[in-house]
Amino acid sequence: GESVGLHLPTLSVQEGDNSIINCAYSNSASDYFIWYKQESGKGPQFIIDIRSNMDKRQGQRVTVLLNKTVKHLSLQIAATQPGDSAVYFCAETANTGNQFYFGTGTSLTVIP
Amino acid sequence: DTGVSQDPRHKITKRGQNVTFRCDPISEHNRLYWYRQTLGQGPEFLTYFQNEAQLEKSRLLSDRFSAERPKGSFSTLEIQRTEQGDSAMYLCASSLLQGTIGYTFGSGTRLTVV
Repeated sequence: GESVGLHLPTLSVQEGDNSIINCAYSNSASDYFIWYKQESGKGPQFIIDIRSNMDKRQGQRVTVLLNKTVKHLSLQIAATQPGDSAVYFCAETANTGNQFYFGTGTSLTVIP
Repeated sequence: DTGVSQDPRHKITKRGQNVTFRCDPISEHNRLYWYRQTLGQGPEFLTYFQNEAQLEKSRLLSDRFSAERPKGSFSTLEIQRTEQGDSAMYLCASSLLQGTIGYTFGSGTRLTVV
């Protein structure tokens, strides 16, 4: 089966600092990746995606970096805010648009 | 259309009972997916539909589980003879066949089997 993992289960940052959440994947055939944010009692919320033909993509306050050589994905959140506190999941698929494999998740806590 | 809707939000059932959940996807989305999420874990794929056709099922989807999408719009997930191990959050997602690939998830149905 697939293996998508996160390096750190929890992360605490000061408000205003930048956050970096990491994710490792094992399937070299993976061609599409998504970062999701999940707040308590809610479904995962799409943050940003990246295809395997890219190594960086930026959104509003978020950047995703993809290193296919070492099969590593990261999510950078700039100027972290209390509203960013949530569990973050990376998800990947090797057949774009079908089933995704999710990692365990990293719990981000923003300290005011 | 405000997104993917799931009903009920919470369900408590006794072991051995049958339960059915409903998912209403975003109206123009062709694809509909079911996932299961246990506490502290990421969602695990169960099955997906393209229009009314069920195209893929996970090994996690035992014989006690059945999903339907009869008219290519809403979907139901039924669990027969529930077991305590079925307790989880059941998530539905939908996406466009073409164009935007990223899923939009609903808020899920929390099932507790007692």
